[in-house]
Amino acid sequence: KAGVTQTPRYLIKTRGQQVTLSCSPISGHRSVSWYQQTPGQGLQFLFEYFSETQRNKGNFPGRFSGRQFSNSRSEMNVSTLELGDSALYLCASSLVGGIRTEAFFGQGTRLTVV
Amino acid sequence: QQQVKQSPQSLIVQKGGISIINCAYENTAFDYFPWYQQFPGKGPALLIAIRPDVSEKKEGRFTISFNKSAKQFSLHIMDSQPGDSATYFCAAFSGGGNKLTFGTGTQLKVEL
Repeated sequence: KAGVTQTPRYLIKTRGQQVTLSCSPISGHRSVSWYQQTPGQGLQFLFEYFSETQRNKGNFPGRFSGRQFSNSRSEMNVSTLELGDSALYLCASSLVGGIRTEAFFGQGTRLTVV
Repeated sequence: QQQVKQSPQSLIVQKGGISIINCAYENTAFDYFPWYQQFPGKGPALLIAIRPDVSEKKEGRFTISFNKSAKQFSLHIMDSQPGDSATYFCAAFSGGGNKLTFGTGTQLKVEL
């Protein structure tokens, strides 16, 4: 069974630009969450999507947005990039239903803003 | 506001020794506590998880101990091996959906 796939693996963008990251969840998983990982702030929750709807949102500015498609694939967009947006962006997929289920992470997209 | 506090920040253990990482939480709405292992250049990988109605869970060399009244839980790695050298994160689920709150991470190095 294929794992969570994130593309691209690496990105270099200029301050002020926008960027779109993609995540394909494990087959059958309907929940996709996004996290930002930085040395200073650690792993921080951005948002979660389930059935094409945002179900949870973290404390990030509106420049960070996402969406989910009918096949559960998700994209995350960051507009007006700032130097501080440089981070590893991780996507996690989960089964939904019943009691708590585990989140499985992709390898991440390393975004560098210059 | 950090809701899951993790310690120590870094840990050096001799091969064959026991590695212990501790976490404490404040939010009593947390209801599921996974531990993740992360190697450089990789995403976090689920190691083991526990629910608050269980005091201990063991899987191979990895054991979670959970103290609900103290709102603390810990990861014990028995017979630590150099291949265990990685960053470990405790985490907690709360509320509806799959939102994880992570601890700050512990960088473990197992020396020969």
